[in-house]
Amino acid sequence: AQSVTQLDSQVPVFEEAPVELRCNYSSSVSVYLFWYVQYPNQGLQLLLKYLSGSTLVKGINGFEAEFNKSQTSFHLRKPSVHISDTAEYFCAVKVFSGYNKLIFGAGTRLAVHP
Amino acid sequence: DAGVTQSPTHLIKTRGQQVTLRCSPKSGHDTVSWYQQALGQGPQFIFQYYEEEERQRGNFPDRFSGHQFPNYSSELNVNALLLGDSALYLCASRLGDRPYEQYFGPGTRLTVT
Repeated sequence: AQSVTQLDSQVPVFEEAPVELRCNYSSSVSVYLFWYVQYPNQGLQLLLKYLSGSTLVKGINGFEAEFNKSQTSFHLRKPSVHISDTAEYFCAVKVFSGYNKLIFGAGTRLAVHP
Repeated sequence: DAGVTQSPTHLIKTRGQQVTLRCSPKSGHDTVSWYQQALGQGPQFIFQYYEEEERQRGNFPDRFSGHQFPNYSSELNVNALLLGDSALYLCASRLGDRPYEQYFGPGTRLTVT
């Protein structure tokens, strides 16, 4: 079975500071990896995904994530955050074949302060 | 191009009642999945529909059922509502041969009193 652990439930940060949101996963088979963002009272928007190839993945809104197979991690980073980045961020995995469901972590609340 | 749409936006029901939620997938998408997101938690997979059949199911009781129509739109039905069914219900759509590109709708907020 697969599982996703987001190591921080809340991350407060000042505007223009860098941020890292941590995600670890557990799986005995190969998986795709995703980060989604959820703004208040909205659905989920895909930030970025790792399918294969380069372990550094760039997404929308200046976010990037690095896949580390040995540490089974997929941490999300942004060098300089903006107030508008305040949202809930979800890490998710999906196995390559068979079950196609997304398995989500519990989420990390990013709060950007002026 | 309209994305995934869901209706209604909000819904209040009483324990024991039944509810139907609706989803229209993104244009061209043929596969629809439903997720339940309880307050403060990540979404949990309920089930997935493709070619009008339930293809995958998560750990949800039979009170949760669904349907997919020939135009790929879908419904989620929940019978005998419990207080614990209060959640945001998210619909996601994708093309059947692209499992890594899933688009989510804005969700339906269900409150059971």
